[in-house]
Amino acid sequence: GAGVSQTPSNKVTEKGKYVELRCDPISGHTALYWYRQSLGQGPEFLIYFQGTGAADDSGLPNDRFFAVRPEGSVSTLKIQRTERGDSAVYLCASSLDRGVDEQYFGPGTRLTVT
Amino acid sequence: QKEVEQNSGPLSVPEGAIASLNCTYSDRGSQSFFWYRQYSGKSPELIMSIYSNGDKEDGRFTAQLNKASQYVSLLIRDSQPSDSATYLCAGEWGSSNTGKLIFGQGTTLQVKP
Repeated sequence: GAGVSQTPSNKVTEKGKYVELRCDPISGHTALYWYRQSLGQGPEFLIYFQGTGAADDSGLPNDRFFAVRPEGSVSTLKIQRTERGDSAVYLCASSLDRGVDEQYFGPGTRLTVT
Repeated sequence: QKEVEQNSGPLSVPEGAIASLNCTYSDRGSQSFFWYRQYSGKSPELIMSIYSNGDKEDGRFTAQLNKASQYVSLLIRDSQPSDSATYLCAGEWGSSNTGKLIFGQGTTLQVKP
C-alpha cells in the first residue's frame, strides 16, 4: 500500500514568513509523529499525535511551532515567523498504534529559510 | 551524556565482510529499539526492531540488545556496496510507551567493492 506522503518536498521561504508542511500517514495508522533532522544529525522528535490529539508536544522548540491533526489522519505542521535556524528536513512518521509499534517515515520536506 | 550515542564513523568494510554497528543509550527505562538505514538525501528506512534481550535475525541483519549494559548493535553479514549508508539507532524514550524515539547521530558505513 501507499507509504507516508509529505508535501511539499522542498520549501524555500524568507525569514519571518509563515509556512505549512503537510503529512498524510499510512492508511489505518492512528499514531503520527513529526521529527526534524539537521545535516549530520539524527532526527529530533517534535510532536506526537494519537488520533486527533497531540499526546506529546514536548519537542516543539518554541511557540512559533504548532501542529494539528483535525480528523485523525492528515497532519499539518505550522511554523510562524520563520527563522534561518528553522532550516532543516522535517520528517513525518506514522505507526499502527502508539508505543512499541514500528514507525515508518515519509520522504520529508526540506525547508530552507533565507 | 547524549541519550543515544553512536560512533559517527565512517566505518569501512570490504564487500562480503561483516559490518558491526554499535549504539549505547542512557535511559534505563527504554524498552524498544530500532535500526534505520538512511541513504544520502533520503528519509530513514526501518530495518529492524528489537524489544527483548538477545539476538534477532532477519536475513543478513542481526540486531542484539543487552539491557543490563544499555547496548544495542546491528550486524550486517555479507556486506554489499548497496549497504553503504548511514545507520541510525533509536530508542523509545522512557517506559511510558509513548512511541517518542530518541535517535543517535548515525554511523556512516562504507562497503568497498
